[in-house]
This record gives sequence, C-alpha cells and structure tokens, in this order.
Amino acid sequence: GESVGLHLPTLSVQEGDNSIINCAYSNSASDYFIWYKQESGKGPQFIIDIRSNMDKRQGQRVTVLLNKTVKHLSLQIAATQPGDSAVYFCAETSGRRALTFGSGTRLQVQP
Amino acid sequence: DGGITQSPKYLFRKEGQNVTLSCEQNLNHDAMYWYRQDPGQGLRLIYYSQIVNDFQKGDIAEGYSVSREKKESFPLTVTSAQKNPTAFYLCASSRDRNNQPQHFGDGTRLSIL
Repeated sequence: GESVGLHLPTLSVQEGDNSIINCAYSNSASDYFIWYKQESGKGPQFIIDIRSNMDKRQGQRVTVLLNKTVKHLSLQIAATQPGDSAVYFCAETSGRRALTFGSGTRLQVQP
Repeated sequence: DGGITQSPKYLFRKEGQNVTLSCEQNLNHDAMYWYRQDPGQGLRLIYYSQIVNDFQKGDIAEGYSVSREKKESFPLTVTSAQKNPTAFYLCASSRDRNNQPQHFGDGTRLSIL
C-alpha cells in the first residue's frame, strides 16, 4: 500500500554540524511534499515544501532535496542548533488526496 | 495574529462519555482537518472538511464525529464508541486541499479517567 517512511528514528548531531533527515515514499504519483517540525506537546510546524517539478528548494538554514527516481526526500539543516531538537515529519500527497505523514525522526542536538 | 486555536489543552473523559474538542481558525482557510497522534507515531487522519457543511471520513473515523457549520470552526466529538480515545488530537487548516501546506494548532491531549 501507499506509505511514507523514515530511515532513522533518532538522529544525534553535534551543535554546529549539518543534519540530514531522510524520508522514503512509495506513491509514484505523489507531487507535493512537506517537512514539519514538532516540539514536545505542540503541533507540527511547517518548515518547507517542494513540488515534484523541482528537485531542490532552499529556505533559511534548510534545504529539501527530492529524488523522484528513487522516491526519496531529504531535509538538510545547516549549522544545527539546540533549538532544532524536535521530531521531524515528512508528508506527501497528490492532487486533492489528504496528506500522508511518515512516523517521524527525532533530532537530538548535543551541545 | 492569525492561527489555529484548539481547546482545551488537556481533557479527561469518563468511560461511556462523549467529549467535544474545539478547533477555531482565523486564517480564512477553506479546508480543515482532524488528526490523531499516538506516542512516538505519526499523524492519522480522522476527518476533513473542504468547505462549510461538508466533511469526509479519513482513515480512522470510527468512533468520531464532526460538524462544519461555520468556516472558522471544526469541532470534533469523541464518542463512547471510540474504545481507545487516549491520544493527542491535532487540528489543521489549509487554504484549500489542492497541494497547500496545512497549518496546525497546538493540540488537545485526551485521557480516560
């Protein structure tokens, strides 16, 4: 069936290092992808999105890469800070179908 | 500030009792959604609404009900038919359902007494 999954449930990085969070999806028709950040006890916060006509999009300290050939999505965070510690979710959809969320990756930033 | 407000933040339910979770948005968004999140897991869609007076079941609608009488409001009722209601409930909205980001509230944590 359709699924969105993550390779690593927990990622631990040193403050100042770059972080890379990966996500695999199975629906080849997916054409819109979002990354969310969720802090403990709060709702997910939108980070960045990308449409399938692009393979890279940059924001402030974040970059999303999309490889449609292998159905893989990644979120890169530059110069990771303690405030980046959270659970990160990828989500995907196509057309008017509701978003499908992955199970999340916990990012732990070590001072 | 524009945003989504969920209330209450914490809610307790007795066995056999219905409870209603509030979700209000002032973003002028057409679409609204309810998700359930269990510990250490992702979000699962309960119900969604694309427009006032219309709503559709999501993946886990059994034991839940919703209404959409106003654009700004999308309350979720957890009925006694929901046998495992303890979870974190998240409401979201988007401008429409056509590939737009969803914006989330800060959730309601429901527990059984």
